Amino acid sequence: EVQLVESGGGLVQPGGSLRLSCAASGFTVSTNYMTWVRQAPGKGLEWVSVIYSSGSTYYADSLKGRFTISRDNSKNTLYLQMNSLRVEDTAVYYCARTINAFTWYFDLWGRGTLVTVSS
Amino acid sequence: QSVLTQPPSVSGAPGQRVTISCTGSSSNIGADYNVHWYQQLPGTAPKLLIYTNNNRPSGVPDRFSGSKSGTSASLAITGLQAEDEADYYCQSSDISLTGSVFGGGTKLTVL
Repeated sequence: EVQLVESGGGLVQPGGSLRLSCAASGFTVSTNYMTWVRQAPGKGLEWVSVIYSSGSTYYADSLKGRFTISRDNSKNTLYLQMNSLRVEDTAVYYCARTINAFTWYFDLWGRGTLVTVSS
Repeated sequence: QSVLTQPPSVSGAPGQRVTISCTGSSSNIGADYNVHWYQQLPGTAPKLLIYTNNNRPSGVPDRFSGSKSGTSASLAITGLQAEDEADYYCQSSDISLTGSVFGGGTKLTVL
């Protein structure tokens, strides 16, 4: 079955760090573009980061270098390392397979993992 | 405040037709970037509904259709059903922004 399963969310204090994982099955992460999207409670979707099949990475301007996207080809898994977390980073984080068709779109989504930043 | 503007809510009775607009500018939709649409049922992850302006992924009913003109795009739902009650998001790119942009989302209520 083709699917994505996120994990690694939880409660963390402001200034702390967390690493999210996204395990893929049924397709190969390294040959696809992969994206992280987040959704704050009761709010809309926000694009976070993308990693190309080439390994190039891009981030939302608002993140200011606090997040790092990566992948482990041997584990067919995508990661998001989040540092210097802020209360406003509280959200459900989704990983998504990304189709590059001049404008990206996201054809497969995981169920998401909740990150809560609070003291 | 997203660069893609959607109405916060729309509603319609079963069987009716509703449309959801996604208004952009010359730096996104008007720059010939494609528009994609997602449906998010309550408590679930988003699901791709329409890609590249007017294409439906396999399994999406033909009651859903998309269009794009100038600096705007629209999602139309005909033969409205109770199960269509969800949040709908448009998505595109913007010349001045890194990555992708989403509209603010529209909550569809089936009366």
